[in-house]
Amino acid sequence: GQQLNQSPQSMFIQEGEDVSMNCTSSSIFNTWLWYKQDPGEGPVLLIALYKAGELTSNGRLTAQFGITRKDSFLNISASIPSDVGIYFCAGRRRGSTLGRLYFGRGTQLTVWP
Amino acid sequence: EAGVTQFPSHSVIEKGQTVTLRCDPISGHDNLYWYRRVMGKEIKFLLHFVKESKQDESGMPNNRFLAERTGGTYSTLKVQPAELEDSGVYFCASSQDFGAGELFFGEGSRLTVL
Repeated sequence: GQQLNQSPQSMFIQEGEDVSMNCTSSSIFNTWLWYKQDPGEGPVLLIALYKAGELTSNGRLTAQFGITRKDSFLNISASIPSDVGIYFCAGRRRGSTLGRLYFGRGTQLTVWP
Repeated sequence: EAGVTQFPSHSVIEKGQTVTLRCDPISGHDNLYWYRRVMGKEIKFLLHFVKESKQDESGMPNNRFLAERTGGTYSTLKVQPAELEDSGVYFCASSQDFGAGELFFGEGSRLTVL
């Protein structure tokens, strides 16, 4: 099946630092999504990218849809303690239903005050 | 507006027993999805309902898993008999048919099979 390689697996950073994580695939995706899961909660959509090359920001978060359509990255600037959680990338293939997503394994982010 | 709700939040059962998980989607959402995350791995698609019909069940692991959505409202996912490898967090998500259509996830039901 489809496999998304998400890295890094975990990150330990100090408050105020910038964070970068990425996702790559051997297959083309038409949509890239980034989710965050807080402890005890379900994944919440942070950013959705629908066009190759698209660069989208949501507050301190910036994500890009790779030009090859096989990768995406998420940057978090000036991290704060509430950024702690698991970040998942997800992709949607052409022709798939909206909710048929392929997820990466997640990046566990820990922010030290 | 209430979000996607799931019950139970955590279930611990022994191998061979039966467990039924329930999901109540956001009111008015015709699309309902089940996903599962085994510890440390990716979140994997299980199946998709449109109203009461199964649109895509290609992700269901085997015939020990049975999903239903009677009346097109809430959905249940039954595992019978449960095996050790069924342990994980089962997420339900729902979406509308129109607009952005992105998924809203529930908090998940953690299943531990001993």
